[in-house]
Amino acid sequence: DADVTQTPRNRITKTGKRIMLECSQTKGHDRMYWYRQDPGLGLRLIYYSFDVKDINKGEISDGYSVSRQAQAKFSLSLESAIPNQTALYFCATRDSRGAYNEQFFGPGTRLTVL
Amino acid sequence: RKEVEQDPGPFNVPEGATVAFNCTYSNSASQSFFWYRQDCRKEPKLLMSVYSSGNEDGRFTAQLNRASQYISLLIRDSKLSDSATYLCVVNNAPGGYQKVTFGIGTKLQVIP
Repeated sequence: DADVTQTPRNRITKTGKRIMLECSQTKGHDRMYWYRQDPGLGLRLIYYSFDVKDINKGEISDGYSVSRQAQAKFSLSLESAIPNQTALYFCATRDSRGAYNEQFFGPGTRLTVL
Repeated sequence: RKEVEQDPGPFNVPEGATVAFNCTYSNSASQSFFWYRQDCRKEPKLLMSVYSSGNEDGRFTAQLNRASQYISLLIRDSKLSDSATYLCVVNNAPGGYQKVTFGIGTKLQVIP
């Protein structure tokens, strides 16, 4: 089984709809991240969480909210989806112990907002 | 200036060729460095960490130049399976928090 899972893997929704993307991990990592990836722009950080009680905005948090329900779960919500939120979304985890610990990514959610 | 800059490419190289990518970073206090590989529509995966002394893993060699603030990735004897986008990743710790910054990636296409 994958260590970092995301649901759904693909989603098509309409403008104005509320949508939630979910991420779960079995790695026991304390840190979790949400990114979006757009062609030519690379990965951009939306929100990150260092533990259940520590949630921080990334560089492009407007229009998004998150919830860290448990150490293993980090969900991303779009309260009112708009077409420019069409992108590939990745969840990632990292163990904070050690500077050379890598991030592990989920398989991604492809979101299309019509 | 962007925190992490990469040439997006694409780099089109024949099988067997040697190819090198550079990535520059702006924060001289950056602490750790990585190269990730991303296949089309897939998640990024760690290729290798980049240590101060440089490191090698088979056909792949990574180097760090702190004075000039860049890291490099050298791929020898390119294979068709090396075709992917290579992401440069830099960690620093402003205010004690680890900040991870990704470059936009360099696309490599190995041609038969």
